[in-house]
Amino acid sequence: GQQVMQIPQYQHVQEGEDFTTYCNSSTTLSNIQWYKQRPGGHPVFLIQLVKSGEVKKQKRLTFQFGEAKKNSSLHITATQTTDVGTYFCAGRGAGGTSYGKLTFGQGTILTVHP
Amino acid sequence: GAVVSQHPSWVICKSGTSVKIECRSLDFQATTMFWYRQFPKQSLMLMATSNEGSKATYEQGVEKDKFLINHASLTLSTLTVTSAHPEDSSFYICSARDQRTNTIYFGEGSWLTVV
Repeated sequence: GQQVMQIPQYQHVQEGEDFTTYCNSSTTLSNIQWYKQRPGGHPVFLIQLVKSGEVKKQKRLTFQFGEAKKNSSLHITATQTTDVGTYFCAGRGAGGTSYGKLTFGQGTILTVHP
Repeated sequence: GAVVSQHPSWVICKSGTSVKIECRSLDFQATTMFWYRQFPKQSLMLMATSNEGSKATYEQGVEKDKFLINHASLTLSTLTVTSAHPEDSSFYICSARDQRTNTIYFGEGSWLTVV
C-alpha cells in the first residue's frame, strides 16, 4: 500500500534557526496536505499543494511539492517559540489501490529553545 | 505499511440508510481513537473522541444519535452514520493513539457518498 515517510522524527532548534521537514511517498500523489498539531491539540490544516513543482509561502513557512509529485517539504525560516508542535504531511493517492486515500507521515516534532 | 486500518475506503449508500466505518489499530492497543470529518481543502474537524469501554466524547455541534461511535475493544472503533443524508457525504478519517508510546497514527480515510 501507499506509504509516506517523513523525516526527521524530531528536531530541536534554537530560536531564530531554520527548520525543514521532508515527506516522501511511495506512490504518486494527487495532492499533499500539511498540518500542525500543538501539544495536546489536534491537527490544524496549513495548506494543500496540488501542482507538480508547486511552491507556496505563508509568512515564514515555505511549502514545496516535488516535480514527480512524490515528495514535499516544509521549511520554516527563523523559528519562533510559537512554532513548536508536530508537523504532519498527508498525501492523497493519485491512482490504483491508493486512489483517494490520505496517508499521513509519522510527523516531525519540533521544539524551539528560546 | 499502515498501522491503522480504516474500512471501507469508499462507500455509497442510499439516503435514509445507515453505514458503518471501522477503524482498527493493527500493531498496537489504542484506548483512545479520534474521528474526524474533512471538507475539501479544509482542516480535519474533530467529531468525537472514542474511549475504549466507555462512551465517546462528542464535540459541540456533533449529533451523537446520528454519529454513533463504539469502541468495544482496544483495537477497534466504529463510526456509524445513521439515517444518512446527502449532506453527510464527506471524507471521514480516524486516528488512534498507541497507549504505549503515545504516538498517534492516522487511518487512510473513508469517502462516504449518500445518494
